[in-house]
Amino acid sequence: SQQGEEDPQALSIQEGENATMNCSYKTSINNLQWYRQNSGRGLVHLILIRSNEREKHSGRLRVTLDTSKKSSSLLITASRAADTASYFCATDAFGNQFYFGTGTSLTVIP
Amino acid sequence: DTEVTQTPKHLVMGMTNKKSLKCEQHMGHRAMYWYKQKAKKPPELMFVYSYEKLSINESVPSRFSPECPNSSLLNLHLHALQPEDSALYLCASSPYSSGYGYTFGSGTRLTVV
Repeated sequence: SQQGEEDPQALSIQEGENATMNCSYKTSINNLQWYRQNSGRGLVHLILIRSNEREKHSGRLRVTLDTSKKSSSLLITASRAADTASYFCATDAFGNQFYFGTGTSLTVIP
Repeated sequence: DTEVTQTPKHLVMGMTNKKSLKCEQHMGHRAMYWYKQKAKKPPELMFVYSYEKLSINESVPSRFSPECPNSSLLNLHLHALQPEDSALYLCASSPYSSGYGYTFGSGTRLTVV
């Protein structure tokens, strides 16, 4: 089953602009993670935020988590053409239940 | 070794065939996962093994049969599949305890003809 919804479904921006994608989920979680997938191959782990954290940074990535609203956002700053990919949030709940959101397809135009 | 290795990368099989997908990791992770992903859709959880025991089965049809022979290896046995089972099958692993990112293999692209 699927845990979360992401919006927008698709996002197209110019290189150098910021990209923001949002994730909403349904149940209590231990942590929330963001992944990138290029061309329908394996997923790459980007960043993890624990349920007791509100914000986390990693390079050009900024993630926020609001457990009261069951939502998270991923901000990619100063985007590059190489950031073109699908981005998924995933919730890690108890008992190793790990479910993905619907995904956002990001296109960065050079 | 920080990788999850999946073989084969591509597989074409007939509806009467029996085949197996293989997944291997040597990171000491004690949880391993199978996901199915259709084009332009998110990965869907199929099975979870924790300490080599099946802990989650997401109501997957019996034509998919998982096996975890040891802590490093995960198989998915396929039999009498349907064309709609064509998809990318992804394997992942994680330390059993929560709070760590999951490591994914690059997947097996399965086509059922």
